[in-house]
Amino acid sequence: LAKTTQPISMDSYEGQEVNITCSHNNIATNDYITWYQQFPSQGPRFIIQGYKTKVTNEVASLFIPADRKSSTLSLPRVSLSDTAVYYCLVGGFSGGYNKLIFGAGTRLAVHP
Amino acid sequence: GAVVSQHPSRVICKSGTSVKIECRSLDFQATTMFWYRQFPKQSLMLMATSNEGSKATYEQGVEKDKFLINHASLTLSTLTVTSAHPEDSSFYICSARSQGNTDTQYFGPGTRLTVL
Repeated sequence: LAKTTQPISMDSYEGQEVNITCSHNNIATNDYITWYQQFPSQGPRFIIQGYKTKVTNEVASLFIPADRKSSTLSLPRVSLSDTAVYYCLVGGFSGGYNKLIFGAGTRLAVHP
Repeated sequence: GAVVSQHPSRVICKSGTSVKIECRSLDFQATTMFWYRQFPKQSLMLMATSNEGSKATYEQGVEKDKFLINHASLTLSTLTVTSAHPEDSSFYICSARSQGNTDTQYFGPGTRLTVL
C-alpha cells in the first residue's frame, strides 16, 4: 500500500490561496490520488481526485507532476469554514480494489 | 449523487449490550463498503472491508466476533458491536465504494457510540 506523507498542520488567513503537498513515493501505476476534507464529528468529504497532470473542480485544484510521486491540493481564497483536516490518499482503481489507509492528515487553520 | 447515510448518528448504551449501526448507499450500488473507527484527535483507522454476499475481511487486531459485519444487499452494510465496553466508545464511520472509472469511496456522516 502506498504510504502518504503530509505536513501535520498549516495556518492561513482568509482570502489566501492554500497549497497542501502530499508525497507518495511508492504510488502504483493503477492508483488514483484522492483528497478528503473532514470537520470534527463528521465523516470525510470527497474534495477531488486525479491520476496525472491537473484536475480542477468547483472547490479545488489538484496538481500532479509527471512522476506522480507527489501531489498538491490547492484551495483558492480560503475562508474560515475551510478550517478542517485534509487527507491525501492513494489507491482505489477500476477493475480491482486497493483499500484506503488514512495517514495523519493536515490540520488547516484559517484565521480572520 | 454518491450519498452515504448512517443510522443512528449517536447512540449511548450500557456496558454489555450490543449496538447495530447501519450504513446505506442512497443513490448507488456498493459491492464493497468499509468500516472505520476514529478516536478523538486521531486519524481514521480501517477496521474491516465489507463485501456484498460474502464474509467481511478484518484488519489485523480487529476482533471479528466482537465487530460483526453483514453486507446483505448492494446498498446496506451493518456493523454490530457485541458486548460493548467503555473502550469501544468511538466515532464509527462507513464508506461505500462507487465503482466506475476512478473507483471513489464516499463516506457516511459517522456514528458516535458512547458505552457507559
